[in-house]
Amino acid sequence: EAQVTQNPRYLITVTGKKLTVTCSQNMNHEYMSWYRQDPGLGLRQIYYSMNVEVTDKGDVPEGYKVSRKEKRNFPLILESPSPNQTSLYFCASSLIMGGFISYNEQFFGPGTRLTVL
Amino acid sequence: DAKTTQPTSMDCAEGRAANLPCNHSTISGNEYVYWYRQIHSQGPQYIIHGLKNNETNEMASLIITEDRKSSTLILPHATLRDTAVYYCIVRTTSGSRLTFGEGTQLTVNP
Repeated sequence: EAQVTQNPRYLITVTGKKLTVTCSQNMNHEYMSWYRQDPGLGLRQIYYSMNVEVTDKGDVPEGYKVSRKEKRNFPLILESPSPNQTSLYFCASSLIMGGFISYNEQFFGPGTRLTVL
Repeated sequence: DAKTTQPTSMDCAEGRAANLPCNHSTISGNEYVYWYRQIHSQGPQYIIHGLKNNETNEMASLIITEDRKSSTLILPHATLRDTAVYYCIVRTTSGSRLTFGEGTQLTVNP
């Protein structure tokens, strides 16, 4: 089954304790992206990657890191989490066709609800 | 990307058609209209997209006005599982992200 998986689904942590949220897709997609969703602010892009070893900042990258060492995985790293990073996080993946992201085939993961105390 | 305007919420009776409007009066010629939905904090799900012709797939129909300044997503026979937030997004094929607004909360009632 084609899918994007995220782990963990729920996490409660404390300020300053490094954490990683994993994202994996089994569709051989080139494009992967992280969004965060907050009430009243919609989904905002954190980072994205167009292929292995190619990453770039989205709209709200501060406080986050990513890596893309393999095509299927795109982990989100919070080196020193703070309470303002409490949010619902989504990973997404998509094909790139003709150099453009295929948004009609963009798949989202189930979400990770993060609480930073 | 063009800005979209959607009603905050709508209700629909189960089994009836749900018609969700979207205004995008500043849309440019190379921008597509995409519809996604998000069921209660799950990941958003692609529904349909179009440029200027009406489109239909197994989930929904998309009607785009001739001047392309507005569109309507039609769920022909709404079920309780169609209760979700529906997002209308206008964008070109280039760019690195989808910009989700607040969307329309559709509630399908028994």
